[in-house]
Amino acid sequence: GAVVSQHPSRVICKSGTSVKIECRSLDFQATTMFWYRQFPKQSLMLMATSNEGSKATYEQGVEKDKFLINHASLTLSTLTVTSAHPEDSSFYICSVKAGTGRETQYFGPGTRLLVL
Amino acid sequence: DQQVKQNSPSLSVQEGRISILNCDYTNSMFDYFLWYKKYPAEGPTFLISISSIKDKNEDGRFTVFLNKSAKHLSLHIVPSQPGDSAVYFCAASEGGQGAQKLVFGQGTRLTINP
Repeated sequence: GAVVSQHPSRVICKSGTSVKIECRSLDFQATTMFWYRQFPKQSLMLMATSNEGSKATYEQGVEKDKFLINHASLTLSTLTVTSAHPEDSSFYICSVKAGTGRETQYFGPGTRLLVL
Repeated sequence: DQQVKQNSPSLSVQEGRISILNCDYTNSMFDYFLWYKKYPAEGPTFLISISSIKDKNEDGRFTVFLNKSAKHLSLHIVPSQPGDSAVYFCAASEGGQGAQKLVFGQGTRLTINP
């Protein structure tokens, strides 16, 4: 498998500020990482697929200019929530694709974002 | 549109008994299904999966059943142990072995009572 970390685990920010969340693959060089979002009592929703060295692929309805994804190395992908608003408050979780099978996504512990 | 649904947000089971977690889906193109387990402050971890060409897959205490005609799958845990207390997510995928996208349900919180 792959060990995945996220930083920070929890962040509180003021409305209008930008927040960067890091996702690190600690023991696997990942060309593909995924970013999910989970609102209370709802499912994990895929936001985007992060590809090392190229642009991220966003799911329908996810604003690419608001949720900036950078996958500059094989071990790090970052998600920046720009001009955050209270409705962006959510649980953000990343995963690393560490193999060819569909069971080979390994998830980070998640980041709780609260926008005041 | 919620393509994968777990209609029970929580389930409480006595230690040693069987836990049955249910999941329904609407997309008939899904060809692979997975169950993940999540402890607090940790990410989901893969538990067991099943291909749409099968109707049952067993791994130790965990068995997943798939009923394609009903678009329903279930996870059976027997016997249930206190360490099984966690949130369980059902997920589905379409598009063959190379597919990457997973569609998740809302999760069911399982509590095993001693």
